Amino acid sequence: AQKITQTQPGMFVQEKEAVTLDCTYDTSDQSYGLFWYKQPSSGEMIFLIYQGSYDEQNATEGRYSLNFQKARKSANLVISASQLGDSAMYFCAMREVYNNAGNMLTFGGGTRLMVKP
Amino acid sequence: ETGVTQTPRHLVMGMTNKKSLKCEQHLGHNAMYWYKQSAKKPLELMFVYNFKEQTENNSVPSRFSPECPNSSHLFLHLHTLQPEDSALYLCASSQASGGIGYNEQFFGPGTRLTVL
Repeated sequence: AQKITQTQPGMFVQEKEAVTLDCTYDTSDQSYGLFWYKQPSSGEMIFLIYQGSYDEQNATEGRYSLNFQKARKSANLVISASQLGDSAMYFCAMREVYNNAGNMLTFGGGTRLMVKP
Repeated sequence: ETGVTQTPRHLVMGMTNKKSLKCEQHLGHNAMYWYKQSAKKPLELMFVYNFKEQTENNSVPSRFSPECPNSSHLFLHLHTLQPEDSALYLCASSQASGGIGYNEQFFGPGTRLTVL
């Protein structure tokens, strides 16, 4: 079974509108972290936002916020006031505690976001 | 140089060639990673190095051989590759730690590899 599922292969959003990118995850760990990365056409993965499993409040970073619903095992990314530069692939990833030595991430399949002018 | 750098950015090689990918991080991190990103597949972790020791080999074929001479440099040696190995190879670094801490991975721009 996939650990990270992103059900939207592609999405369009009008410039200046908000958009939600879905992510569900599967883990039996109580301690884990969830990450969102952006990958523009240049290829580099850019870290956007992080949510720890014990964080009581939803994470926010500028125009990015994470809608964390622990019971549903979902960690959706909300981008407010979309900009043309937001057009990219977006990946959800999970870090499970790993033998106290690593920082392994499991990635979802990604969502391609296209912002329309 | 800042962040994580990778060279070359593009590489075309034949199946009988031997080549190496290089990654360097300037962030003072002590963990480094190789990922493979193929079309239509999720990002796949290949290797993990913590404090220069390999702690993960994610069932990668032996035609891929990693080398980590120090905590700032990571290489991926390639030999007798197959066309299906064509992909974007991403290097990343982070602080290694136990627990769930906020240790995001910083990625390089990747090497686009084409095997003919």
